[in-house]
Amino acid sequence: KAGVTQTPRYLIKTRGQQVTLSCSPISGHRSVSWYQQTPGQGLQFLFEYFSETQRNKGNFPGRFSGRQFSNSRSEMNVSTLELGDSALYLCASSLGNTGGDEQFFGPGTRLTVL
Amino acid sequence: GIQVEQSPPDLILQEGANSTLRCNFSDSVNNLQWFHQNPWGQLINLFYIPSGTKQNGRLSATTVATERYSLLYISSSQTTDSGVYFCAVDLKTGANNLFFGTGTRLTVIP
Repeated sequence: KAGVTQTPRYLIKTRGQQVTLSCSPISGHRSVSWYQQTPGQGLQFLFEYFSETQRNKGNFPGRFSGRQFSNSRSEMNVSTLELGDSALYLCASSLGNTGGDEQFFGPGTRLTVL
Repeated sequence: GIQVEQSPPDLILQEGANSTLRCNFSDSVNNLQWFHQNPWGQLINLFYIPSGTKQNGRLSATTVATERYSLLYISSSQTTDSGVYFCAVDLKTGANNLFFGTGTRLTVIP
């Protein structure tokens, strides 16, 4: 079974731009969660999507948004990029039916904001 | 919010040595996972262990949910074990939202 895939793997943007990251979960998994990893703040939860609905949200500004499609693929968008948005963005997939499921992570997208 | 503390923050071992990594958490949890982050940033699943003990080769883990801690044991360490180990917990919220510890950076020297 193929693992979680994320595209693109690397991105360089400038302040003020916007960016869209994509995540394809493991086949049969319906939940996709997004996380941000920075040296200062560590790994932090952004949001979770299940059956095309945002089920849970972390403490991030509204510039961070996401969506999920009927095939469970998910995208996250960051608008008006700031230098502090430079980070490794990881998505994780899980079965998602009850919550608290084992999560499996993709390789991440490394975003650099100049 | 929930606090997840890992110790030690850094660990340097000689190849072949054993080690124990600890994860303490401040609230009841629905799930606990251990991960190894490889040099390219990917989180590799080691254990899904909300309670009890599991073993996988040279690695084993024990979670004592009533006392709010988990231990990861690495035996006969190898240089390929180097990296950062994270524990992460999921509260009883009915959603998939992991809270991560700050990690233990393990360096195994030959």
